[in-house]
Amino acid sequence: DIVMTQSPDSLAVSLGERATINCKSSQSVLYRSNNKNSLVWYQQKPGQPPKLLINWASTRESGVPDRFSGSGSGTDFTLTISSLQAEDVAVYYCQQYYSTPWTFGQGTKVEIK
Amino acid sequence: EVQLVESGGGLVQPGGSLRLSCAASGFTFSSSWMHWVRQAPGKGLVWVSRINGDGSSTIYVDSVKGRFTISRDNAKNTLDLQMNSLRVEDTAVYYCVRSIGWPEHWGQGTLVTVSS
Repeated sequence: DIVMTQSPDSLAVSLGERATINCKSSQSVLYRSNNKNSLVWYQQKPGQPPKLLINWASTRESGVPDRFSGSGSGTDFTLTISSLQAEDVAVYYCQQYYSTPWTFGQGTKVEIK
Repeated sequence: EVQLVESGGGLVQPGGSLRLSCAASGFTFSSSWMHWVRQAPGKGLVWVSRINGDGSSTIYVDSVKGRFTISRDNAKNTLDLQMNSLRVEDTAVYYCVRSIGWPEHWGQGTLVTVSS
């Protein structure tokens, strides 16, 4: 199974500042047939299901604010919130869909400093 | 609009059984691979099982193999998860997820509590 490791476990960022979350996979999730990385990012708020933010490591879902961006390739990925807003307080997860079982990072809790 | 609505959760004793259902609408259900993912209270996300579009291929996480069965009824646009021999550690919110290559849409989830 592919192990996904996120860092940090939590971070506190001032409103308007940048938040950066890292995700590392134990093996490459680069899908050779389309040269894209099989990785998604979610935002989850209490009592809600995960909300898909980014697919293929860097493609923002429709309706997701452009302050959210994904980058990286192979085994190392990053989710960046360029200017943190109050509504961004949540837990963020990365997940690989390169192979089953799908595996998730442990989550990163983002709070306001 | 894609909709996935889970049902069937509840309180069950250890060793008991429960059947979850997911009603799908807004997309071509028979073409979509479907998954169950669970989340224990206060914990992270864990993939449980997957079924392909025509139901001919299924796969499970090791911890539920032999106890859970995923199935689908493409005529009724429903996905099911039959859970037998339930354990306290199966307590979680269970989500049904549609994948179109990537996990594109999640339901709201249904809570399963296994406790005596």
